[in-house]
Amino acid sequence: AQSVTQLDSQVPVFEEAPVELRCNYSSSVSVYLFWYVQYPNQGLQLLLKYLSGSTLVKGINGFEAEFNKSQTSFHLRKPSVHISDTAEYFCAVSSSWGGYNKLIFGAGTRLAVHP
Amino acid sequence: NAGVTQTPKFRVLKTGQSMTLLCAQDMNHEYMYWYRQDPGMGLRLIHYSVGEGTTAKGEVPDGYNVSRLKKQNFLLGLESAAPSQTSVYFCASSPSTRDRMGSGNTIYFGEGSWLTVV
Repeated sequence: AQSVTQLDSQVPVFEEAPVELRCNYSSSVSVYLFWYVQYPNQGLQLLLKYLSGSTLVKGINGFEAEFNKSQTSFHLRKPSVHISDTAEYFCAVSSSWGGYNKLIFGAGTRLAVHP
Repeated sequence: NAGVTQTPKFRVLKTGQSMTLLCAQDMNHEYMYWYRQDPGMGLRLIHYSVGEGTTAKGEVPDGYNVSRLKKQNFLLGLESAAPSQTSVYFCASSPSTRDRMGSGNTIYFGEGSWLTVV
């Protein structure tokens, strides 16, 4: 069975500081990995995804994530955050098991950027 | 540039009442999904559909029914609302896994429907 663990439920950080949001997954089959962002009172928006190839994936708004197969991790990073990055971030894994895009989400990490 | 549209956005129900959430997508996607979001639990799949006229159960289907009579629409029904169904509901859609990126296809989400059952 697949599962996703986001290691921090909340991450407070000051503006212009770097941030890392941690995600570990477990799966017995090849997976695709995603990070979604949810701004207050809005739906989920794709930040980036890893399908294959380079393990460093760049996304929107200056975010990037690194796929580490040996550590089964897909941590999200940004070198300098802005107030506007305050949101909830979800890590997810996808496979075609079951014949559809089965997307398993982590519980989410709330990023709070302070001035 | 609508993408995935959900109605209504907010609703308050009394226990035992029924209601239907409507989802519409204009991207010609084969697959559609209904998720619920609860604090500390991420999103959990309620039901999904891999094509017009077909539906299937997800992780938490009890108390819900769905229908996909048209490719672009996916309806979620609550037969007899309970306080445990207070949640934020998200509809989503994606291309088929038979498409080029298979299960790497992006899933697109609507903006959510806030439902409170009192």
